Parts: sequence; structure tokens; C-alpha cells
Amino acid sequence: GQQVMQIPQYQHVQEGEDFTTYCNSSTTLSNIQWYKQRPGGHPVFLIQLVKSGEVKKQKRLTFQFGEAKKNSSLHITATQTTDVGTYFCAVTGNQFYFGTGTSLTVIP
Amino acid sequence: DGGITQSPKYLFRKEGQNVTLSCEQNLNHDAMYWYRQDPGQGLRLIYYSQIVNDFQKGDIAEGYSVSREKKESFPLTVTSAQKNPTAFYLCASSIYRENSPLHFGNGTRLTVT
Repeated sequence: GQQVMQIPQYQHVQEGEDFTTYCNSSTTLSNIQWYKQRPGGHPVFLIQLVKSGEVKKQKRLTFQFGEAKKNSSLHITATQTTDVGTYFCAVTGNQFYFGTGTSLTVIP
Repeated sequence: DGGITQSPKYLFRKEGQNVTLSCEQNLNHDAMYWYRQDPGQGLRLIYYSQIVNDFQKGDIAEGYSVSREKKESFPLTVTSAQKNPTAFYLCASSIYRENSPLHFGNGTRLTVT
């Protein structure tokens, strides 16, 4: 299946610090989706990016799609304890291929 | 409220037994998916179905079987042939349209001893 590399695997931050996770593909992507999974929960859709160079914001979250449509990032400004969880990127088609996820821990 | 229901939340089985995980949705979605999640790992696709009476294997289908007799239901059977069945199983659905996001159920945590 489609390979999507996601880094880092784990990230611990102090509350108030910023956080970024990256997804990289060796092939050009038609689109990319981002999901958040709280501890013990299920993944919840956050956003979809389709256009080259696209940037979307949701409050403190900023999502970017690379110009070549081979990479994407999720940046959280001034993390809060409610941001704790694992963030996944997903590449779509007939199937959905998920990255390995970045587990975010926020230290109060 | 529309959603996806997976039952049970926790399931315990003895090695060598087949077990069926339930997944029901009332979102009127055409496509349904089964994923497996192991600790510290991403989601790996087991099977997916885009229409009733049709389904395709994902990356890790060996030792699993599915059926799609009704649009609302997509049960997953974990057979005794699955070498390492203990995991968290997630069912999802989506509108059958490219780029439609997935809606997930709450998952079933299966433990086989």
C-alpha cells in the first residue's frame, strides 16, 4: 500500500509551547487528511487539504500542504492539555492509508 | 443521532476460537472499513467495502473475513488462523466519494489468550 512517513513518533511539550508533526510521501498526493485520536478514543477527522501549497487554520491549529503535494504538516500554537492525543495524517483513494501517527503529551 | 456502533467494547477469547466483531452504521454511508491498531502504531487496513455484497482485502487481510449483506452492517470475523489477534479494532464508514472523510466507531479491544 501507499507509504506515508510521519515524524516524530512521540513529542512531549510544556503547556504553552508549540508543536509540529510532519507527513512525507515519496509520491505526489491527490489530497491529505488529518485526524486526532484522544487516549482511549477513536480517530476524529480534523481537516482535508487538496490544493498545492494550501494552508488552513482551525483556531490554534495550522495545516499545510506542500507545493509539490508530497508533504504536509500540522502545527499547534501554544499547546493546551486538551491537545493531548495522537495525530494521524491519511492519504485517500479507494483505500485510506494512515501515517504511523505522532503522540503528543502536554506537560502542565 | 447518526453514528457507527461497534460492539462489544471489550472482548476476550481463548486461542483457537473464531470471534465476530459487530459494526453497524446509520449514516447511510456506502463505504465501510475495518482497521487494526496496535499499541504505538498507526491504523492498518484489514478489509473495506464500497457497496453491498462486495468487499476488498486491505494490507493485512490474512486470518480475517468479512461480509456485507446489508448497507448498514459490516461484521469482521477474526479466525483462528490470525496469528496475533490481540489488538484494538476500529470500524469506519464514509460516503462513497473520493476524499470523503472517515467516521469511526468507538472500537473493540480484543484480547486472545
